[in-house]
Amino acid sequence: NAGVMQNPRHLVRRRGQEARLRCSPMKGHSHVYWYRQLPEEGLKFMVYLQKENIIDESGMPKERFSAEFPKEGPSILRIQQVVRGDSAAYFCASSPQGAGSTDTQYFGPGTRLTVL
Amino acid sequence: AQTVTQSQPEMSVQEAETVTLSCTYDTSESDYYLFWYKQPPSRQMILVIRQEAYKQQNATENRFSVNFQKAAKSFSLKISDSQLGDAAMYFCAYKRTNAGKSTFGDGTTLTVKP
Repeated sequence: NAGVMQNPRHLVRRRGQEARLRCSPMKGHSHVYWYRQLPEEGLKFMVYLQKENIIDESGMPKERFSAEFPKEGPSILRIQQVVRGDSAAYFCASSPQGAGSTDTQYFGPGTRLTVL
Repeated sequence: AQTVTQSQPEMSVQEAETVTLSCTYDTSESDYYLFWYKQPPSRQMILVIRQEAYKQQNATENRFSVNFQKAAKSFSLKISDSQLGDAAMYFCAYKRTNAGKSTFGDGTTLTVKP
């Protein structure tokens, strides 16, 4: 059973470009969570999605950031007009049934975004 | 808002010895879960151990065990017989039951000396 897949593992963008980060949850998991890790810090929650629905986006910056989890295909975290402060590791996690179920989230390997 | 505090930015231990990593948290909830994650240089987040708040018994996974003090809101991780492969950043995390997000501490870097 493959784990949570994220791609790309490393992404380099110039200021003003768009970054698209992809996450495929574990087989059988229908809930996805995105976290951001700045250097020397812990993970900070960004958004929680299930298929075609955003459940909690309380950690998402108000501008330039968006996330989706379509009926088919991976979850996408999209950052428009990237700035240097967006440089970080972005982690995706998944769980089988979301809140109230196992309550354990399984993490992918992360995408390291570098903005030049 | 829930907060998680790891007061030890760095810890070191001699191989085969025991080390304890500290974690405290703040919450007004009664139903929640606590986790310890390991992040090696590869940056993969690996679940080490989890504890349900309603369980009084401390969780144990092989050489890893926790000391969960609910009244004190303390959740420390004990690593016995430390191995070189235990060297990593360790994160404590809190998750309220029926909520999606986990709240993480800032981590403790563990060095294991041969």
